This record gives sequence, structure tokens and C-alpha cells, in this order.
Amino acid sequence: AQTVTQSQPEMSVQEAETVTLSCTYDTSENNYYLFWYKQPPSRQMILVIRQEAYKQQNATENRFSVNFQKAAKSFSLKISDSQLGDTAMYFCAFILYNFNKFYFGSGTKLNVKP
Amino acid sequence: GAVVSQHPSRVICKSGTSVKIECRSLDFQATTMFWYRQFPKKSLMLMATSNEGSKATYEQGVEKDKFLINHASLTLSTLTVTSAHPEDSSFYICSARGGTLSNQPQHFGDGTRLSIL
Repeated sequence: AQTVTQSQPEMSVQEAETVTLSCTYDTSENNYYLFWYKQPPSRQMILVIRQEAYKQQNATENRFSVNFQKAAKSFSLKISDSQLGDTAMYFCAFILYNFNKFYFGSGTKLNVKP
Repeated sequence: GAVVSQHPSRVICKSGTSVKIECRSLDFQATTMFWYRQFPKKSLMLMATSNEGSKATYEQGVEKDKFLINHASLTLSTLTVTSAHPEDSSFYICSARGGTLSNQPQHFGDGTRLSIL
């Protein structure tokens, strides 16, 4: 069975500071893809960053970067220089290679304070 | 690019009514579309996957006759909640993927809040 665990239901960070959201997953498969999505109050899901499991190099996207530890099945998201617009619910997800189904974590609510 | 439009954004209707939700990919052809349901403060639950021109694949526990999905073209999929009841009240989100590879991101619509009185 595939599972995704986000152990931090809610986090707060001061504007301009750095915050790390944790995510662990479980699968017996070797080929998969990992994603972080954000869902702001407007409710639209927006892709933040993605990582192919076969790549050792951690993905980065401007202020967003991941720490992917395949052996530990860990996929944390680091947000640098946090901005008020980063306030949102963040979902970690993965999808198996050649399959359609996303496995989502329960989400972490991030509140960026001015 | 990769815009997905979902309509309507909010529906309030009486119990027993059937409600249709549309999901359109505006600037790309969506080979595959997905329908999710999200309960308050919960994660997204995949309901079904639809490929253009073929029958939808439903997840375990999702009633096919209750949630009718049609994917008649590469830019439009519809979800019809038939004979809706208060327990069907939820936030429904569609997503669309341009290709068939699982590493290609799904682009999400804005969601539809369905409230059954």
C-alpha cells in the first residue's frame, strides 16, 4: 500500500524567514514521482515543485527546494525568504510510474506572518 | 499556460436534484482528467480517472451510478452528481493532464463547492 504522511498539521513562519515542511511516504515501488502542491484560500491547487525518484539531485524552483532522501522515503520542502503569498495549505503527493493515481498527504497549513 | 477551468464554482440545490460540474482545459488537450473530492480540512480523495473517449475508471467505494463522468472531448470532462443528497455536499476538484506519462503534472481547476439542502 502507498501512503503519504505529513506530520505537521500547522506551521507558522515570519515573513522573510525560512521554513521546512516535512513529508514521508511509503511504497515498495522503485519508480515514482514526488510533488508538492499548495492550496491557497482560493482553493486552487498549484504545483510548487516536483522530483523524479530516479534523480539524486534535489529539485529547486526559485525560493522552493526539496530535500529528497530516497532511502529514508523522505521528501521535505524548504521555503526560503517566506512571503505573505506563501500562506496556504501544502500537500505532499506521489504518483507511481505509469499509474494515474496521486497519493496525497493530509496537508500542512502554513501561515506566513508579517 | 495549462489553465483548467471548472464551472460552476458554487452550487446550492435541493436534495434529489442532479448537478453537473464541467471541467475544461483551456489551452491544452487533456488526454486524462481526474475528479477529486475534498472534505473540510482533509486531503484530496481521487474519485475517478477519465480518458477521452472511454469509460471512466472509478476508485473503490465510489458509486458509478451516483457520480457520472463523461469525457467526450480532449478539452471537456463533466461530473454529474445524480439525485444529490446532503451527504454529497463537498468540495469537488478536477484536474487535467496533457499527456499519458505519470510524471507530467496535473493542472487543477478552482473547484466546485456543492451544498445540498
